[in-house]
Amino acid sequence: QVQLVESGGGLVKPGGSLRLSCAASGFNFSDYYMTWMRQGPGKGLEWIVYISGSGLSMSDVESVRGRFTVSRDNAKNSLFLEMNNLRVEDTAVYYCARARVPLNYYGMDVWGQGTTVTVSS
Amino acid sequence: DIQLTQSPSSLSASVGDRVSLTCRASQSMSTYLNWYQQKPGQAPKLLIYAASILQGGVPSRFSGHGAGTDFTLTITNLQPEDSAVYYCQQTYSILGPFGGGTKVEI
Repeated sequence: QVQLVESGGGLVKPGGSLRLSCAASGFNFSDYYMTWMRQGPGKGLEWIVYISGSGLSMSDVESVRGRFTVSRDNAKNSLFLEMNNLRVEDTAVYYCARARVPLNYYGMDVWGQGTTVTVSS
Repeated sequence: DIQLTQSPSSLSASVGDRVSLTCRASQSMSTYLNWYQQKPGQAPKLLIYAASILQGGVPSRFSGHGAGTDFTLTITNLQPEDSAVYYCQQTYSILGPFGGGTKVEI
């Protein structure tokens, strides 16, 4: 069935790095835009990055710009989020989610279960 | 950036009730509005996209209406499993913010 499974979360010190992965199955991965969302402890949802099906188009929000990099490997049906110079305020559950095109019409219709990132000294 | 304000922040209702949740945008955004349901410890689930289109597999007791700046998610015949936080999301500007959520208690 259609599924997304995140991994790579953990505890890291401020200034540290982590690489999150999202393994996709059950659909033609390269046909879809993919996104990363996050949700801080007891907080709402934040859409932080997206990447096109080909990987050639991507964008991010200002709060992660220059620190987080999204990428994908369509041959391995995998999405990645490289996070550098992590801050305490990056502490959150990180979700990968699938989006159909046009990106602004369909919403995110498949979500992973989330992986927890804790930034603390 | 478009800001989304959801109201009420929480509500309590009974099984079988009809409830309406509101999402108000700071500027007009046509029908670029989605609704999600999130239960404790779970990922969000897409309920409604493009303001009023029911995502496949979602019960028909959920419905969405609105355009411009004012949007509503209505749940009729409320069920115990509808206890959750409901978020609206605007896609008029990509990567824009979600609403703050409405917690529905049964």
